[in-house]
Amino acid sequence: KNEVEQSPQNLTAQEGEFITINCSYSVGISALHWLQQHPGGGIVSLFMLSSGKKKHGRLIATINIQEKHSSLHITASHPRDSAVYICAVFSGNTPLVFGKGTRLSVIA
Amino acid sequence: KAGVTQTPRYLIKTRGQQVTLSCSPISGHRSVSWYQQTPGQGLQFLFEYFSETQRNKGNFPGRFSGRQFSNSRSEMNVSTLELGDSALYLCASSLYGYTFGSGTRLTVV
Repeated sequence: KNEVEQSPQNLTAQEGEFITINCSYSVGISALHWLQQHPGGGIVSLFMLSSGKKKHGRLIATINIQEKHSSLHITASHPRDSAVYICAVFSGNTPLVFGKGTRLSVIA
Repeated sequence: KAGVTQTPRYLIKTRGQQVTLSCSPISGHRSVSWYQQTPGQGLQFLFEYFSETQRNKGNFPGRFSGRQFSNSRSEMNVSTLELGDSALYLCASSLYGYTFGSGTRLTVV
């Protein structure tokens, strides 16, 4: 059974700070999702990664398959980045397994 | 292109009642999966359908059921509602990655 651990659980940052959220998983995967959930519930998929690094605007996601670890970075953080960030992994036809999420608050 | 549509957005039901939630996937996506999110347990997998067949099922009691129609739309049903069923129910459709709907927030009173 794949276990997904995220750290930190909660994070408060000042506007403009560089933020890193980490995700570790226990068994091999096909791909990893980084998800963003704002108050109100809707989930947006930010990235899907199976190797390397992806960048979209101020967001960067990396994955190290050998170390079973992924990071989500936010550069020049802004209050609108305040949300819960969730890591989810899947392998072939197995269902998504989710981390508990990281609650990020960015203060102006 | 239209996203994943879940209806209704909010629902209040009484203990013992049953409820049906609907999910319309992105056109062309044949896989639909359902998740329950609660403050204590986080996101948990309920079940997944592909071409009208249940492909995977999570660890939930038989009161939770689902189905998928030939147009890929999916419904989930919860019978004999309990207070603990209060949650956000999310569905996702997938082709190569997952696209989530906005969810249905169910409150059981």
